[in-house]
Amino acid sequence: ELKVEQNPLFLSMQEGKNYTIYCNYSTTSDRLYWYRQDPGKSLESLFVLLSNGAVKQEGRLMASLDTKARLSTLHITAAVHDLSATYFCAVDIDSGYALNFGKGTSLLVTP
Amino acid sequence: DAGVTQSPTHLIKTRGQQVTLRCSPKSGHDTVSWYQQALGQGPQFIFQYYEEEERQRGNFPDRFSGHQFPNYSSELNVNALLLGDSALYLCASSNQGRGSYEQYFGPGTRLTVT
Repeated sequence: ELKVEQNPLFLSMQEGKNYTIYCNYSTTSDRLYWYRQDPGKSLESLFVLLSNGAVKQEGRLMASLDTKARLSTLHITAAVHDLSATYFCAVDIDSGYALNFGKGTSLLVTP
Repeated sequence: DAGVTQSPTHLIKTRGQQVTLRCSPKSGHDTVSWYQQALGQGPQFIFQYYEEEERQRGNFPDRFSGHQFPNYSSELNVNALLLGDSALYLCASSNQGRGSYEQYFGPGTRLTVT
């Protein structure tokens, strides 16, 4: 059974600080996704990582993938309040069929 | 370019009733997947439809069924509702016919079972 584990599950950080969210998965994956979800809203796609060593950046967020370690990271640089949300990683192990999600990391950025 | 749409937005049902949720995929997409997201949890895969057939199914009972129409839109039906079926139901579409696997999510239907 595929397991996708995120940590931490809850993160409170000050504006301007840096932090990393980790996503471990238990089996070989075709691709890994990061999504953002605001309270009561749907999922917004942030990054799609397709190969070992892939790194993608958008604004203050940078995602990377190490398929050998079965690990993806989402790094937050100089956090701002607008980044407060829940972040999910999801693993696709069967070429576009089911996405297997982690439990999510609830991020709160405070002044 | 219209994104994924879902209806209704909110729904309140009584235990034992049946419910139908609807999804229209993003323009140009041919594959629809359904997910259930309980409060405070990550989405759980229910099933996926492609070419009007169920291609893969997650660990959900037969009370959950679906359909895909020739225009690629889809329905999710849940029979004999239980209190535990209360959740946000998300539809996602992709264009697997062209080898594009990224799934785009709709706004969801919030189902409350009382």
